[in-house]
Amino acid sequence: QKEVEQNSGPLSVPEGAIASLNCTYSDRGSQSFFWYRQYSGKSPELIMSIYSNGDKEDGRFTAQLNKASQYVSLLIRDSQPSDSATYLCAVRNNQGGKLIFGQGTELSVKP
Amino acid sequence: DAMVIQNPRYQVTQFGKPVTLSCSQTLNHNVMYWYQQKSSQAPKLLFHYYDKDFNNEADTPDNFQSRRPNTSFCFLDIRSPGLGDAAMYLCATSRDALAGAVHTQYFGPGTRLTVL
Repeated sequence: QKEVEQNSGPLSVPEGAIASLNCTYSDRGSQSFFWYRQYSGKSPELIMSIYSNGDKEDGRFTAQLNKASQYVSLLIRDSQPSDSATYLCAVRNNQGGKLIFGQGTELSVKP
Repeated sequence: DAMVIQNPRYQVTQFGKPVTLSCSQTLNHNVMYWYQQKSSQAPKLLFHYYDKDFNNEADTPDNFQSRRPNTSFCFLDIRSPGLGDAAMYLCATSRDALAGAVHTQYFGPGTRLTVL
C-alpha cells in the first residue's frame, strides 16, 4: 500500500462545476496535510493546508480532513479552465517531518 | 519578495559529465530540501539539510551529493549523470518550529535537467 494515494485521473469537469479531489494516507499518526497545485512544467504551489478534522475554506477552495478515515479532500467550487493542473496531496509524517506526496490527480476544466 | 530561487532553470549536460544545480532562498528558513520529479510522478525527496545537518534518504544514489555553505544557499551535485537522471529538480525550504507547529514547504521554480 502506498503511503499517500490519489486517483491519477484525469478528472474532467465542466467550467463552473465543483471539482472533488481525494486522497488517502496510511500513517495514522500524520498531523499535517497539504494540497499543492502544479501546472505542467512548473513547480508545486501551495493551495491549502489543514491540520484539524473538518473543513477549511479559502475562497473557492475547501479542504476536508477526516483523520479517523485517513482521508483528505479538496473541493474546488466554480471551477475555471485556469484550475486545470495536477493537484498533489502531501502528508507530513511523524518520522523526521518529511512530506510524503501522492502521485497527483490531473484536473481538466472544460470551457 | 521573499522567495526560493533556482539556477539554472534549464540545464543540459552530457552523459557522465558532472553538473551542479543551485538553490538560494531569502526566507531565512533553516531547512532546505532537494526533490527529483520525473514526468507524471510525485516529487521524490533526495535529501534535506536541517541547519547544517545533512539527512540523506536511504534510496538516494551515491551519484547525488549536496552542499550547504550557508543558510541561504544549497547545491545539488550530480557526479556522473545518467540518462535516467533526466528530471525536474526541485528545491524547497521550510522553517522548522517547535513541536506541533506547521512545516509548510515552499518550492523554487525547479531546474529541468536534460542528459544527452
